[in-house]
Formats: sequence, structure tokens, C-alpha cells
Amino acid sequence: DTAVSQTPKYLVTQMGNDKSIKCEQNLGHDTMYWYKQDSKKFLKIMFSYNNKELIINETVPNRFSPKSPDKAHLNLHINSLELGDSAVYFCASSMGLRDSPLHFGNGTRLTVT
Amino acid sequence: GENVEQHPSTLSVQEGDSAVIKCTYSDSASNYFPWYKQELGKRPQLIIDIRSNVGEKKDQRIAVTLNKTAKHFSLHITETQPEDSAVYFCAAPLGGSNYKLTFGKGTLLTVNP
Repeated sequence: DTAVSQTPKYLVTQMGNDKSIKCEQNLGHDTMYWYKQDSKKFLKIMFSYNNKELIINETVPNRFSPKSPDKAHLNLHINSLELGDSAVYFCASSMGLRDSPLHFGNGTRLTVT
Repeated sequence: GENVEQHPSTLSVQEGDSAVIKCTYSDSASNYFPWYKQELGKRPQLIIDIRSNVGEKKDQRIAVTLNKTAKHFSLHITETQPEDSAVYFCAAPLGGSNYKLTFGKGTLLTVNP
């Protein structure tokens, strides 16, 4: 059983399109995250949700809109895609405590052409 | 600003040698220091972590040391094997937040047979 699963694994789309990535965790965690990993492998936090509430929004353009229908799901919708949005997007979850490890999903490789 | 600095960015060793990766952090309130390993095309996975009430932790061939006074922590891998080749990330919770695990920029470790 995959603990943190995200779909799709690959997403190829054209500039200007709108796309969504879905994430689900079955670990019973209260906190979920979106991280972006660019071509240089930098892992940068985008959003953090705790019990469906947005906790962290790291100066991400408002073309990116996360939604958490319940604490086991965190989706990411991206409007008007740009070339610079090409990256691997990782969903993760944790217990939300200061010393809680992150559990990552397998990533979604987004390519904008 | 608050950040996690990681060095070196690349490290090449011969099989059987030891490898050491170092990180420094800026937030003196940080109390949890995980290390993640990311193989090519895969998700980051936790390999070891240490909490601030401990100075050293060991798990078989890997160990982590923490110097809270100097605000740095290190990953030590002994008797390296080709399958240790990967990108390694250190991380720390910054900004007083439980929900903002900030990653170093990663170290590409190559173990040559």
C-alpha cells in the first residue's frame, strides 16, 4: 500500500493551459505539503496544510491554488501554465509536530512546452 | 534570512571510503535534523534523523552528528558502496514553524567501484 500517492506521474502540457495534480495519504497524518523540485534539484516548500487549513504559502504565484477537501487529500491546481512551472512536484505528509519526518509521494513531473 | 547551507554540492569517493556531508542552519530554535536520500527519478526518503537532545546517532553504516552550539550537523557514511550513489539532502524546521521543513541544496554523492 502506497502511503502517499499522487497522480499523474507525468504531465506534459502547453503554455496557458490549466492542470491539476492530486495527492492522497493513508498514514493518518494531519499535515500535508507541496514541494517543488527544479532542474537543479532544489526542494522548495510551496504550501502546507494542517487539518485542511492553509498554514504556509511560500510566496507562490496565485496561479497555484491548493485545495484540501479533507486531511487525507491535498490537490494542486495550476492556471495559465508557464515554461518556468516545469519541475517535479512532490506531495508529502507528516504528523505536523516539530520533529516529524516528511513522507513524500513519488512526484509528478510537469513539462510545459 | 533563515536557511540551511549544505556542503559540498558534489562528492566523489572510491568504494569502501567514507563520505561526509555538512550542513549549517540559522534558526537556533531548530530541534530536528533529518537527512534524506534521493535516487535518480525517485522520491526523497528519510535515512536518518537526530533530535537536539542527542549529539550523535548511528544506524549501521550511516551516522549523524549535531553541534547545537555551532549550529551544524553532519552525515557520515562509512564503507561506501555503489548503491549509496544518490543526492542527499539535509533539512531543519526554520522560522519557528512546525510546518516548514527547509532543505539544503543537496549533495550529489558518486561512489566509484
